[in-house]
Amino acid sequence: SQKIEQNSEALNIQEGKTATLTCNYTNYSPAYLQWYRQDPGRGPVFLLLIRENEKEKRKERLKVTFDTTLKQSLFHITASQPADSATYLCALGGSYIPTFGRGTSLIVHP
Amino acid sequence: ETGVTQTPRHLVMGMTNKKSLKCEQHLGHNAMYWYKQSAKKPLELMFVYSLEERVENNSVPSRFSPECPNSSHLFLHLHTLQPEDSALYLCASSQDPGLDIQYFGAGTRLSVL
Repeated sequence: SQKIEQNSEALNIQEGKTATLTCNYTNYSPAYLQWYRQDPGRGPVFLLLIRENEKEKRKERLKVTFDTTLKQSLFHITASQPADSATYLCALGGSYIPTFGRGTSLIVHP
Repeated sequence: ETGVTQTPRHLVMGMTNKKSLKCEQHLGHNAMYWYKQSAKKPLELMFVYSLEERVENNSVPSRFSPECPNSSHLFLHLHTLQPEDSALYLCASSQDPGLDIQYFGAGTRLSVL
């Protein structure tokens, strides 16, 4: 069955550093991958989408890579700020409806 | 705001109650979704509606009953729930089902006593 893995342990980093979050998947060939941000008690908010034929996508301080050989996506936040603290979800799509991972919590310390 | 509004934000109900969750989207989208989010678990897709027709039902117990009267409104009717149904229930919409960005509401935090 399809499986999406995101690190269940929170990622703690210092302000100003680059945060890197990982999304691994198995038994799946997604046409695209999305990253969402979710704050406590709120719904996820879309950040970036990267397609299977794209290696990298950027948006301001955010960068996403997609390696279909490794079956992995990396999500980077450069010059991180305490306001970036949240849970980040990856979602894989292709046939119909995206499938979400459980998310990784990021905590940026001032 | 995301353009998707959910009410109520919080709901406490007993196992014998009947209640409804409401979702409204102001984005002109054709597809609407219900998700369940429990602690430490991925988002679980419950129902998908496309142009007011249900197109997916992920083996959800019959105590959850969706209704989509038009493309802007989605309801989730609840009856005789169990304590394990306590979770955050999220509504989302997208332009079309499938290869599309989803816009989520803030969710309804449901507690079943």
